[in-house]
Amino acid sequence: QQQVKQSPQSLIVQKGGISIINCAYENTAFDYFPWYQQFPGKGPALLIAIRPDVSEKKEGRFTISFNKSAKQFSLHIMDSQPGDSATYFCAASLTNAGKSTFGDGTTLTVKP
Amino acid sequence: EAQVTQNPRYLITVTGKKLTVTCSQNMNHEYMSWYRQDPGLGLRQIYYSMNVEVTDKGDVPEGYKVSRKEKRNFPLILESPSPNQTSLYFCASSLVQGGKQYFGPGTRLTVT
Repeated sequence: QQQVKQSPQSLIVQKGGISIINCAYENTAFDYFPWYQQFPGKGPALLIAIRPDVSEKKEGRFTISFNKSAKQFSLHIMDSQPGDSATYFCAASLTNAGKSTFGDGTTLTVKP
Repeated sequence: EAQVTQNPRYLITVTGKKLTVTCSQNMNHEYMSWYRQDPGLGLRQIYYSMNVEVTDKGDVPEGYKVSRKEKRNFPLILESPSPNQTSLYFCASSLVQGGKQYFGPGTRLTVT
């Protein structure tokens, strides 16, 4: 049973455009929702994260939108740049149990 | 420099030959975790540790063992590797459960 479903699998955006990646989760006990960015040959690095008591969090060009009732959250990358080309993973964690479940990843390509 | 290190970075071995992948962090983090990354499957948690001598299974623990005798080290042990354990492995650590995870550079394992 896949607890975190991520879409799309791949995404191509023009420079300056908005990239949107979506995730849906099933377990309502999840209480921490991070997004990680991974470049080829590197480990994932935390990009931005949100807890379910807020509906939106913005850090620079990156925004998480969180819909608790729909059990969905999304990453928006404004003014996408070629340097944003990477694989993005959403995740959901049970902080009191130490478990983390990741989505399958989205490969983003930003064309110049 | 704050970091998570893994060794070896690349390993080719044969079925049944015991191996250990080491993981070490220099941030005094209590929480450490092992993941495997396979194409199209994202990151799947193998084992995690909430502190010294405290470990628990993740989503895909079969065929793996871990130990946490010191706070900084969290080795992953494959007692009898099989070809289906061919994968890219990441170690991660965080100050607290459910917090920002810092990932190592990865270990690419091939079992023939």
